[in-house]
Amino acid sequence: GNSVTQMEGPVTLSEEAFLTINCTYTATGYPSLFWYVQYPGEGLQLLLKATKADDKGSNKGFEATYRKETTSFHLEKGSVQVSDSAVYFCALQTGGSEKLVFGKGTKLTVNP
Amino acid sequence: EPEVTQTPSHQVTQMGQEVILRCVPISNHLYFYWYRQILGQKVEFLVSFYNNEISEKSEIFDDQFSVERPDGSNFTLKIRSTKLEDSAMYFCASSTLGVLSYEQYFGPGTRLTVT
Repeated sequence: GNSVTQMEGPVTLSEEAFLTINCTYTATGYPSLFWYVQYPGEGLQLLLKATKADDKGSNKGFEATYRKETTSFHLEKGSVQVSDSAVYFCALQTGGSEKLVFGKGTKLTVNP
Repeated sequence: EPEVTQTPSHQVTQMGQEVILRCVPISNHLYFYWYRQILGQKVEFLVSFYNNEISEKSEIFDDQFSVERPDGSNFTLKIRSTKLEDSAMYFCASSTLGVLSYEQYFGPGTRLTVT
């Protein structure tokens, strides 16, 4: 079946550090890929998405590239801020299905 | 900015009791979803709902669960006889369309604790 594996957290960084959160997937067909973020006390919010191979999703300084050859969609940010502290979820959706398939989530804490 | 709301934020119930979790989706959205996350585990899809009927459901969504849109604004998840293993965070979501990667907007969740 379809699944998403993302790196175990928690991740703790200092402000302005480089962030990578790894995400790999298993899917039949060609899924769309997503990163969702959950800030404390809030719902999951779409951060970025990519719908086909080699697409790069980007938003708020975060980027992720859809790599079909390595079945990966790693999240990166060049310089994190304290306000980026949240839980990050990688997810996929396959054609013809409405459901999102999520990874476990990675908690990021950024210290000043 | 429109948002999905959920009530209550935390529900404690005894095993065997019925619970109803409530959600108000974004007003012009047509697809509605429930997901859950057991502590330490993945967010799991439960069910999607469109045009007043279930359009897709997971293996988790058995006869103990039901969904309803009782009026033009609310979307509810009912668990008929709760079990300890139903303890989880339940997220409601809505979207304008179901497939083709349309964004699903999530509520803040209801934490259900079954004792």
